[in-house]
Amino acid sequence: GENVEQHPSTLSVQEGDSAVIKCTYSDSASNYFPWYKQELGKRPQLIIDIRSNVGEKKDQRIAVTLNKTAKHFSLHITETQPEDSAVYFCAVGGYQKVTFGTGTKLQVIP
Amino acid sequence: NAGVTQTPKFQVLKTGQSMTLQCAQDMNHNSMYWYRQDPGMGLRLIYYSASEGTTDKGEVPNGYNVSRLNKREFSLRLESAAPSQTSVYFCASSKVEGNTEAFFGQGTRLTVV
Repeated sequence: GENVEQHPSTLSVQEGDSAVIKCTYSDSASNYFPWYKQELGKRPQLIIDIRSNVGEKKDQRIAVTLNKTAKHFSLHITETQPEDSAVYFCAVGGYQKVTFGTGTKLQVIP
Repeated sequence: NAGVTQTPKFQVLKTGQSMTLQCAQDMNHNSMYWYRQDPGMGLRLIYYSASEGTTDKGEVPNGYNVSRLNKREFSLRLESAAPSQTSVYFCASSKVEGNTEAFFGQGTRLTVV
């Protein structure tokens, strides 16, 4: 089955700095790469996703890049704010199901 | 439009007891999933149902059973609860299996003592 690795597990940044979270996957047939944000005590919610025919996608302060050859993709958050503090999960979708990474706890220090 | 609703929100069980977690979605989604979330382990797939009438095992199915009652409802049953099943459980649904946004329920915090 699909194997998804996510790094780092924790990340602390100063407010205004950028944060980058990276994921690698194993199944070259995977074609959907979403990122979810989970605030403390809440449910995960989609913040951005990318499909295999696109190399980069941006939505205001967040962006995702995909390298299908190397089988890795990254989440970039610029100009971080305290409300960005949360756990972020990458995920990889393919036939019938989505496999999640183990999560990155991001702390933005004011 | 409630999205994905799961019940109960909290539950404490004694070892060996059984219970069923209920999940319903009102978005006319085809696919539904059950995940468990443990510290440092991310979201691990227990079972999924790609469409009404089908169910398949995920990554950690042992000790669980599921029923896709109809297109809206997907339940998770613990026949004989064990302390290792202490976790937060999330139900989710998506329009198409595997490659569309998943919408999550609010979670069930289960403690087995």
